[in-house]
Amino acid sequence: DAGVIQSPRHEVTEMGQEVTLRCKPISGHDYLFWYRQTMMRGLELLIYFNNNVPIDDSGMPEDRFSAKMPNASFSTLKIQPSEPRDSAVYFCASSLTFLYEQYFGPGTRLTVT
Amino acid sequence: AQTVTQSQPEMSVQEAETVTLSCTYDTSESDYYLFWYKQPPSRQMILVIRQEAYKQQNATENRFSVNFQKAAKSFSLKISDSQLGDAAMYFCASQGAQKLVFGQGTRLTINP
Repeated sequence: DAGVIQSPRHEVTEMGQEVTLRCKPISGHDYLFWYRQTMMRGLELLIYFNNNVPIDDSGMPEDRFSAKMPNASFSTLKIQPSEPRDSAVYFCASSLTFLYEQYFGPGTRLTVT
Repeated sequence: AQTVTQSQPEMSVQEAETVTLSCTYDTSESDYYLFWYKQPPSRQMILVIRQEAYKQQNATENRFSVNFQKAAKSFSLKISDSQLGDAAMYFCASQGAQKLVFGQGTRLTINP
């Protein structure tokens, strides 16, 4: 398997623009997670899905953030409108079951100017 | 709520030597897993080792092993025969019924 795939790897955008991050989980994994990593706050869970259904979105910082999983092989994290404080590395991860190791994608480095 | 604490922001070790990274955690759950992840400069998060809380035997993966002290809620990682490729940020993490919680990380430097 190719592992978890994320795109783009780098994204630079201006404040106020819409940003969409994409993730393809490992085939057969029922859980998908979105994380954000910053120097100040470390790694934070934003939201996770089980069988394409959002289970816990309590980590989503604001209404500007939204995530979808239209099918088992694709998920998006959208920020609209983006702000400089959203600059971070965003990771997608997937796992077979909840209490099991998560496999991370390479991350998307987002810079909002 | 789960918490994970890594008290060593930075560690360094001579190549071929052994180093131990510390981690303590707190959880009220009876069923949980503990992990060590490695993040090299490429920023890819790589699973190093995992430990099921119900298992008393310490997990090992080649040069990596853990010292799991359940009563003390301690979960340290030992790296034997350190190699230059081991240089990275190391994150301890705990997963219960709620979510995977990470520590703040320890930056490991390998001195040739």
